[in-house]
Amino acid sequence: QVQLQESGPGLVKPSETLSLTCTVSDGSLSYHYWTWIRQPPGKGLEWVGYVFYSGSTNYNPSLKSRLTISLDTSKSQFSLKLNSVTAADSGVYYCARGSVMGGFAIWGQGTMVTVS
Amino acid sequence: QSALTQPASVSGSPGQSITISCTGTHSDVGANNLVSWYQQYPGKAPKLIIYEGTKRPSGVSGRFSGSKSGNTASLTISGLQAEDEADYYCCSSVRSSTWVFGGGTKVTVL
Repeated sequence: QVQLQESGPGLVKPSETLSLTCTVSDGSLSYHYWTWIRQPPGKGLEWVGYVFYSGSTNYNPSLKSRLTISLDTSKSQFSLKLNSVTAADSGVYYCARGSVMGGFAIWGQGTMVTVS
Repeated sequence: QSALTQPASVSGSPGQSITISCTGTHSDVGANNLVSWYQQYPGKAPKLIIYEGTKRPSGVSGRFSGSKSGNTASLTISGLQAEDEADYYCCSSVRSSTWVFGGGTKVTVL
C-alpha cells in the first residue's frame, strides 16, 4: 500500500514562503492527481490544489496568485510553495492522492504549519 | 468557489440511521457524480468512505451509503455505532477542474 509523508518547516514568518514536500513511498507518481489539502485549527478541510502526473496543475482560485505545486519524479516527490503567507495560512497541511474517479483515497499524516 | 453546505452537527442513538446533507450548485454537486465523503477523527487524517457519489472503497463498512438528488448529495449511516462519532466532510468536483469541500458535520452518538 502506497504511503505519503509530508515534510517541511513547522514555523514560517509572515510574508515569507511556505514550502512543503510530499514523498510517495512506492516511487510511482503515475496517473493520479497529487493533491494538497489544508485544515486551519478547529476548522474544515480546504482543497489547495493538485499536480497531475503529466505535470499539469490546478489551484484553488483563492490561492492561485501565491501558489505553485510541482512534481519531481526523480525523487518520487511533489511539492507546494505558497508565498506571502499570513496567519490565515496556518494549519495542518495534508498531501493526498486523488483519482480520476474523484476520491482522495490515500493521505499523508499531515504536518502542522504555523505562520508567526 | 464557495464551500458546500453541510449541517454543523447531527446526532443519533446507537442502532438508528442518520443522514448528512451536502448542498452545492449546478456547477459542482449537480454537475457530475464526482462527490466523495470523508470521515475524520480528532488529530487524524481524513479517510475516504464514499466516492463517485455512491461507491464504497474496499474495507469500508456497508453501513455507509451515498446518494444524490439534484444539487444535494447525502451520506447515510445506518445502524449507528459509537465508533461512528467523528467529523464528516463531503467534497465535489467543480466544473471538472477544481475541488471544493463542505464545511463538515460533527456526528454525535447519544
